[in-house]
Amino acid sequence: QVTLRESGPALVKPTQTLTLTCTFSGFSLSTSGMCVSWIRQPPGKALEWLARIDWDDDKYYSTSLKTRLTISKDTSKNQVVLTMTNVDPVDTATYYCTRIRLSEGNWFDPWGQGTLVTVSS
Amino acid sequence: DIQMTQSPSSLSASVGDRVTISCQASQDLTNHLNWYQQKPGKAPKLLISDASNLESGVPSRFSGSGSGTDFTFTISSLQPEDIATYYCQQYDIVPYTFGQGTKLEIK
Repeated sequence: QVTLRESGPALVKPTQTLTLTCTFSGFSLSTSGMCVSWIRQPPGKALEWLARIDWDDDKYYSTSLKTRLTISKDTSKNQVVLTMTNVDPVDTATYYCTRIRLSEGNWFDPWGQGTLVTVSS
Repeated sequence: DIQMTQSPSSLSASVGDRVTISCQASQDLTNHLNWYQQKPGKAPKLLISDASNLESGVPSRFSGSGSGTDFTFTISSLQPEDIATYYCQQYDIVPYTFGQGTKLEIK
């Protein structure tokens, strides 16, 4: 069974750096074709894709956020970490991590339960 | 980035109604489009991949069609448990992009 779980601070102050961790089980990020993505959703708003990291360490970022985002992986720990610098109240959102299996297709499945991050002083 | 335009943004229908949601892309996607269902307070769930492939375990009243720039998501007979927000998502080009969502309510 594949599961993903997001963790990180519930509250961060403006200008700080946000670090989120996705801990997963049921697959390995060293397997060819395996990827993990981060997606966020501000309260009451639409989904926004943020970043993707692949089994071969290729990385992809949102055009509008790429200067502020860094995605990395620790294959031995089954974790993917997303950092976002210089956060602002507009970054308040539920942050999800999700898997892609390029060997099967190109869709997000399954998703973690999400973690709500509030940016406020 | 590819822009995805969903319509309508909200929809109220009765149980048993046929419901249709449209998704238009700013450029040709061939069939590189997925549909997700998000129930209140929950993470999204993949329903349809590659524009028309129903995921395992998803009821057959859900379907998807289209190619190129115009896509359609249909619920053939609306059930109370279908109350959710539905999103289209393109994967033709990274960065991935989502539609703005269609919130479905029961009349």
